[in-house]
Amino acid sequence: GENVEQHPSTLSVQEGDSAVIKCTYSDSASNYFPWYKQELGKGSQLIIDIRSNVGEKKDQRIAVTLNKTAKHFSLHITETQPEDSAVYFCAASRDTGFQKLVFGTGTRLLVSP
Amino acid sequence: SAVISQKPSRDICQRGTSLTIQCQVDSQVTMMFWYRQQPGQSLTLIATANQGSEATYESGFVIDKFPISRPNLTFSTLTVSNMSPEDSSIYLCSGHRSGSQNEQFFGPGTRLTVL
Repeated sequence: GENVEQHPSTLSVQEGDSAVIKCTYSDSASNYFPWYKQELGKGSQLIIDIRSNVGEKKDQRIAVTLNKTAKHFSLHITETQPEDSAVYFCAASRDTGFQKLVFGTGTRLLVSP
Repeated sequence: SAVISQKPSRDICQRGTSLTIQCQVDSQVTMMFWYRQQPGQSLTLIATANQGSEATYESGFVIDKFPISRPNLTFSTLTVSNMSPEDSSIYLCSGHRSGSQNEQFFGPGTRLTVL
């Protein structure tokens, strides 16, 4: 089955810096890769996702890159703000019909003012 | 996306008791799921809640411990039975709507502490 690894487990940056979180997956058939932001009391919110037919996707300060050959994908947050502080989870699945999401172990991002 | 609410948001329970968590979606979804997130861990799928029939459980999870109901397309419950301290976790409900590809949206979670 699919196995997703995520690094780092914690990441501290200064406001305005960039943050990068990386994930690797094992199932070469996986082709859907979402990122979730988890804040206390707010549950997990989908912030961006990417499918295997593209290598990069951007939404304002957030971008995700995918390298299918190497089986890794990354979340990039630029110009970080204190409100970006949260736990971020990556996930992977096969995007045929509906397939179960397999989550990474999470990254706690702390943005200091 | 849909909005998912869960009740209770948190609870502290005694060993040996049971707790039922409710999940309500504001619009119809094809599939609903229950996840567990143990302290410092990732989300682990417990089961898929099937409307009008028995839930489909993942390896390591059984119906006697985690009975699930889904009487309609917008509501589901998860019961954590005969609780022990090891059941202390966040329990999350999620939904997926047919045609939205693979996107899942999550409820805020229920933080359970078992003493």
